[in-house]
Amino acid sequence: NAGVTQTPKFQVLKTGQSMTLQCAQDMNHEYMSWYRQDPGMGLRLIHYSVGAGITDQGEVPNGYNVSRSTTEDFPLRLLSAAPSQTSVYFCASSYSILPDPKYFGPGTRLTVT
Amino acid sequence: KNEVEQSPQNLTAQEGEFITINCSYSVGISALHWLQQHPGGGIVSLFMLSSGKKKHGRLIATINIQEKHSSLHITASHPRDSAVYICAGNRDDKIIFGKGTRLHILP
Repeated sequence: NAGVTQTPKFQVLKTGQSMTLQCAQDMNHEYMSWYRQDPGMGLRLIHYSVGAGITDQGEVPNGYNVSRSTTEDFPLRLLSAAPSQTSVYFCASSYSILPDPKYFGPGTRLTVT
Repeated sequence: KNEVEQSPQNLTAQEGEFITINCSYSVGISALHWLQQHPGGGIVSLFMLSSGKKKHGRLIATINIQEKHSSLHITASHPRDSAVYICAGNRDDKIIFGKGTRLHILP
């Protein structure tokens, strides 16, 4: 199993650009989530999904969209990037339908200039 | 005030010492998680617990629901234990993270 994979590892965007961070897992996990990690703030939940076709907002959802068309994939879309979205983004998954960040991806470091 | 507070923020100890990291939460949670993040960024889930105590190798996690407090202990600490340790709690359908404790074990 590859576990949880994220692409890209690094990305630089200009303000106003849009992009999609990819997340995939091959463990048939129901629960998938996106977090951002900022210095001094800890990890914060952006969006999560408890199964294909079901998504919900976390603590900091503004400026981000998600969809879950398959069990395996959970992409995070930045609609119009802002410098405040400069962060490290982690995707996580678990078998449980409860918020349970058991398996993390390696992270995507995003810089918005 | 953060709903999940960790202490200490930073901890430096000598190899072999017994380490305790504390986590207090101010809201009702259904489960508590301990995570480990090594330099370079990778995050690993260590424990999920809702009561009592769990042990895995040299790591022990305890939780006291009445006192809203959890501890992570590391016995016979080793330089490879150097990492950031993060406490998080399930509240309703959300998860709330502490800011982490940076642990540095000196050889």
